[in-house]
Amino acid sequence: NAGVTQTPKFQVLKTGQSMTLQCAQDMNHEYMSWYRQDPGMGLRLIHYSVGAGITDQGEVPNGYNVSRSTTEDFPLRLLSAAPSQTSVYFCASSYGAGSYTFGSGTRLTVV
Amino acid sequence: EDQVTQSPEALRLQEGESSSLNCSYTVSGLRGLFWYRQDPGKGPEFLFTLYSAGEEKEKERLKATLTKKESFLHITAPKPEDSATYLCAVQPTNFGNEKLTFGTGTRLTIIP
Repeated sequence: NAGVTQTPKFQVLKTGQSMTLQCAQDMNHEYMSWYRQDPGMGLRLIHYSVGAGITDQGEVPNGYNVSRSTTEDFPLRLLSAAPSQTSVYFCASSYGAGSYTFGSGTRLTVV
Repeated sequence: EDQVTQSPEALRLQEGESSSLNCSYTVSGLRGLFWYRQDPGKGPEFLFTLYSAGEEKEKERLKATLTKKESFLHITAPKPEDSATYLCAVQPTNFGNEKLTFGTGTRLTIIP
């Protein structure tokens, strides 16, 4: 039972490049979310999903896209990377009681 | 707008020295309040959920309590392995299970 798996763990992008952060969970959780964590700002919700085929925006969605074609996978796409997107990204999943299981994070640097 | 404020930002304790971390919150309606532990370079790890004022939860040396405006995480006789950042989060009633609003955390260091 791997829980929530995020790849890659580290990534450096040039401004304007695009990439996809992968997230997979093996707990059959309906709820999945993407957060970013920045110093002094706490975790902020980017996008979330309440089930396969259903996604919605969180607090800071600009510059990011998501899709949820299966229960297990919830990739986050950066369309055109900007230095302001330098952050640590966490994927999380829950069966619905609000106690989320988080992945180990992707540390992204945009230069 | 939902807000969560945690204090202190950082706390250094000697091993065995008990203390409390504070989480003050403002939310239109509270569905649940959550405590997480985060170790450096890792994702947050769930500790407790509290749903109503007066509720208490315990796990080993940790006890979480809840009032209508704040929550406390009490640490009794801490050990060095309790060193971590402790995060508080609230879940509003108008958002269901989709959204948590997090505080910035308290970085706890236990000195042997």
